[in-house]
Amino acid sequence: KAGVTQTPRYLIKTRGQQVTLSCSPISGHRSVSWYQQTPGQGLQFLFEYFSETQRNKGNFPGRFSGRQFSNSRSEMNVSTLELGDSALYLCASSLEGTAPYGYTFGSGTRLTVV
Amino acid sequence: AQTVTQSQPEMSVQEAETVTLSCTYDTSESDYYLFWYKQPPSRQMILVIRQEAYKQQNATENRFSVNFQKAAKSFSLKISDSQLGDAAMYFCAYRSPNSGSARQLTFGSGTQLTVLP
Repeated sequence: KAGVTQTPRYLIKTRGQQVTLSCSPISGHRSVSWYQQTPGQGLQFLFEYFSETQRNKGNFPGRFSGRQFSNSRSEMNVSTLELGDSALYLCASSLEGTAPYGYTFGSGTRLTVV
Repeated sequence: AQTVTQSQPEMSVQEAETVTLSCTYDTSESDYYLFWYKQPPSRQMILVIRQEAYKQQNATENRFSVNFQKAAKSFSLKISDSQLGDAAMYFCAYRSPNSGSARQLTFGSGTQLTVLP
């Protein structure tokens, strides 16, 4: 059974640019969540999608957005990149967001903004 | 809002020995879920063990077990017979029940575990 796949693994962007990250969940998982991991702030929740609808959103500016497709694949977009957006972005999928099953994470996308 | 605290930024253990990682949390909810994840250098977060708050019995997964003290809001992880492959950053995480908009994990700051040969 394939795990959660995130692409690309690494990304270098310039301030002011925009970026799109992709996440393919485990087959059958309809819930996809995104987290930002930085040394200073730790792991912070960005948003969660279920059946193409955003169900929950963390405390991030509107530059951070996402969407989910009918096949449950999800993308997140960051516009007008800032240096502080440099982070590891992790995606997690779960069975309909049911906590007892836990979340399966991908290996993340390392974004560097220069 | 819920908070999760891991007071040990770094821990070390001798191979084959036992180590306990601490985690406390703050919540006003009576039902919730707790998790321990490990993050090796490969960056992927791997679920180690999970506990439902309504279950009094402590969860166990092979060499990994928890000591869940609901009244004290404490959720420690014990690793027995430590192996070199256990070296990683360990995160404690909290999640509210399925209702409302609380479907997110709140993480602690992590404990870096080193296993000494």
